[in-house]
Amino acid sequence: ETGVTQTPRHLVMGMTNKKSLKCEQHLGHNAMYWYKQSAKKPLELMFVYNFKEQTENNSVPSRFSPECPNSSHLFLHLHTLQPEDSALYLCASSQDLAGSYEQYFGPGTRLTVT
Amino acid sequence: RKEVEQDPGPFNVPEGATVAFNCTYSNSASQSFFWYRQDCRKEPKLLMSVYSSGNEDGRFTAQLNRASQYISLLIRDSKLSDSATYLCVAGLRGYSTLTFGKGTMLLVSP
Repeated sequence: ETGVTQTPRHLVMGMTNKKSLKCEQHLGHNAMYWYKQSAKKPLELMFVYNFKEQTENNSVPSRFSPECPNSSHLFLHLHTLQPEDSALYLCASSQDLAGSYEQYFGPGTRLTVT
Repeated sequence: RKEVEQDPGPFNVPEGATVAFNCTYSNSASQSFFWYRQDCRKEPKLLMSVYSSGNEDGRFTAQLNRASQYISLLIRDSKLSDSATYLCVAGLRGYSTLTFGKGTMLLVSP
């Protein structure tokens, strides 16, 4: 049990759809992250939030829009995605900014864009 | 420019074998290091942190060599359940970013 939950676990969407991914952490952490993991590539950091303020946007296209209403919840809003956006999207949290602290991952949402 | 490099493997070993992975990092200012384990189609899970003095957790031993900028993971008495991809991770203290390697795949066979 990681203490970080994500929904949905699987998502298939068309390029014109709008959907949202949800992440919740039950660990009392202050920092939350979105990562993308594609086949044969290392984890790609997308967004970082610390105390619900965005501290990093790693040149992510605007069709991905994060939202962090509080330090326990993180959303990733998706619209007009491309097939190459198909990947595993992982949420993670850490006590504080992760250079010092371990990150704990949720189970991920496996996204397929058709 | 790759910042954390690992041999992708796969490393095929029999049960009971000892296996070692190395990983190199390019940013000499990196100060925190971790090994994560990722099973197929699952999320990465923290295996262990890597301290300057090295650390051991049961069958797993991690070492850090700052002079050569590499981290190692030694697994003794391999079990079938050790089959997974092992991710090497480096971070800068006080910064939000952890840099993940692509991972080394380990396959333990009966």
